[in-house]
Amino acid sequence: DAGITQSPRHKVTETGTPVTLRCHQTENHRYMYWYRQDPGHGLRLIHYSYGVKDTDKGEVSDGYSVSRSKTEDFLLTLESATSSQTSVYFCAIRSQGDRDHYGYTFGSGTRLTVV
Amino acid sequence: GQNIDQPTEMTATEGAIVQINCTYQTSGFNGLFWYQQHAGEAPTFLSYNVLDGLEEKGRFSSFLSRSKGYSYLLLKELQMKDSASYLCASSSSNTGKLIFGQGTTLQVKP
Repeated sequence: DAGITQSPRHKVTETGTPVTLRCHQTENHRYMYWYRQDPGHGLRLIHYSYGVKDTDKGEVSDGYSVSRSKTEDFLLTLESATSSQTSVYFCAIRSQGDRDHYGYTFGSGTRLTVV
Repeated sequence: GQNIDQPTEMTATEGAIVQINCTYQTSGFNGLFWYQQHAGEAPTFLSYNVLDGLEEKGRFSSFLSRSKGYSYLLLKELQMKDSASYLCASSSSNTGKLIFGQGTTLQVKP
């Protein structure tokens, strides 16, 4: 399995505060992604990165920013957390190699609650 | 654009066969993925189809028809541990991204 870890695993924060979630990978993969998962919506792409300092928006990017200063770390920041950002956040890397591993490998997720 | 549809919920009996359907509309279609996700856990890869036809992998099989924008996941000899959400996702060569359907929650009953 590709080494991908997310931190923290759980967080409760107050409305209006900034929050940063971290995704760390040990496999030197180029592509990294942040998704959020909510009931009735499935996984929705927030932002993604295709290399150091190269990032782009997904379908639900408003209120979020990302940074990738090193290959192994992809940070997601909620600039001013709102209750609508209460969700489970998953980081993913695009696997490389044979076709069975062409898809994504996901981190364990971060459960964020904004109160 | 991209759009993926799959049923929200399904129920089946232990030992039976169940088919979960997925329809998609994807610009620059470059493959169809199925993931399994148990409650409170991360999605895990099940299958990948890019050519028409059936791919069999143990109790699980996945089918793709590119001309119809249709895929299904077939689960045989259902076990209680197969109770999970099953996510259909399409890949676009235009964007290099996976777009997911909302997932199908499968409940397996004794």
